[in-house]
Amino acid sequence: ETGVTQTPRHLVMGMTNKKSLKCEQHLGHNAMYWYKQSAKKPLELMFVYSLEERVENNSVPSRFSPECPNSSHLFLHLHTLQPEDSALYLCASSQAALFEGELFFGEGSRLTVL
Amino acid sequence: GENVEQHPSTLSVQEGDSAVIKCTYSDSASNYFPWYKQELGKRPQLIIDIRSNVGEKKDQRIAVTLNKTAKHFSLHITETQPEDSAVYFCAAITNTGNQFYFGTGTSLTVIP
Repeated sequence: ETGVTQTPRHLVMGMTNKKSLKCEQHLGHNAMYWYKQSAKKPLELMFVYSLEERVENNSVPSRFSPECPNSSHLFLHLHTLQPEDSALYLCASSQAALFEGELFFGEGSRLTVL
Repeated sequence: GENVEQHPSTLSVQEGDSAVIKCTYSDSASNYFPWYKQELGKRPQLIIDIRSNVGEKKDQRIAVTLNKTAKHFSLHITETQPEDSAVYFCAAITNTGNQFYFGTGTSLTVIP
């Protein structure tokens, strides 16, 4: 049923760890996004990829590093995170041009930084 | 950049009553306004959207109205049901930028 799959669904890491979040879309979409969702705050756009090229980087700290090896896969590499980075990280994709039409979201990766 | 404000942040209604959520935006170039619903523990999903050349759009119990002059748009849910309980996010996109600007969300609870 799901067109956008995220793994892992839950992740707990220490501030010195290195981990990665993975997103895969089976919809044939050309644009993929990483969003951060924190309590009582708007969804914050982190990165945008269109046809595997990064086209947007919203002043995200370098401890977050995205990777898009092909149009179906998107990674978010995490290292030396801070407790305030704890949040739900949502991946999304859209069909054609950036932000045209519907965003299809994954179910998110719940990250806890200790 | 765009600034989208959403009110109220929480809303409780009795089953069968109507619910209205309002968003205001600042960039007059915004031309596309979607609404997303996020049930607890689930992904946000598009429920309805409207473009700036239309004043109102309806889909069964859900409707969205747009007032371009006042720069606000609203989500209307009629005959609410418990399964309407969720967080609703509005968003605005400009035809010059490349961003979705989301509102802060409204947590709707429908009391049976």
